[in-house]
Amino acid sequence: ETGVTQTPRHLVMGMTNKKSLKCEQHLGHNAMYWYKQSAKKPLELMFVYNFKEQTENNSVPSRFSPECPNSSHLFLHLHTLQPEDSALYLCASSQGQVMRNTEAFFGQGTRLTVV
Amino acid sequence: GQQVMQIPQYQHVQEGEDFTTYCNSSTTLSNIQWYKQRPGGHPVFLIQLVKSGEVKKQKRLTFQFGEAKKNSSLHITATQTTDVGTYFCAGGQTGANNLFFGTGTRLTVIP
Repeated sequence: ETGVTQTPRHLVMGMTNKKSLKCEQHLGHNAMYWYKQSAKKPLELMFVYNFKEQTENNSVPSRFSPECPNSSHLFLHLHTLQPEDSALYLCASSQGQVMRNTEAFFGQGTRLTVV
Repeated sequence: GQQVMQIPQYQHVQEGEDFTTYCNSSTTLSNIQWYKQRPGGHPVFLIQLVKSGEVKKQKRLTFQFGEAKKNSSLHITATQTTDVGTYFCAGGQTGANNLFFGTGTRLTVIP
């Protein structure tokens, strides 16, 4: 619907599991982002990729590992997560190098629960 | 560091009443964007303001950027049940490759 598709929509994982979140955009955008949305907190930028190159890593713990094989696909690999990592993980894309100058298109998000 | 505060956090209004949410930044912004997130949904872009003192309208929605480019507001006239959701402002800063999102204002419209 938005041109940005995220899978899975819901994920429950144990603290010792390894899982991956997938994001795909069909808008021809150059930049892709991972955001974390927790209750009562602002959207937190995690990673920024521009033309497949990571340009921003906002002090995200190493248990979150992004991968961007091309401008249309973005992954977030998860391993040994903590319960406080439970949140809605949103992928976004934009045309242009910096998000602040162009509108962002968000995916539906993956609701992650760590048990 | 950069902080974007939004008030109020929650607002309940009777259908037909007006609604305003305010966004304040600790530093001067290069631009500000507004997004709406319906319950269970994802943020959807509404508008961007760039110029000092800029005012833009979208039907019943009026967006304003302060003269000092440190604050912004969104005003909805005669709310409808379709206006329900959380409204986020997001500020950009020169030299920063990021948008700083506010905490959002959750609007409930009582029929």
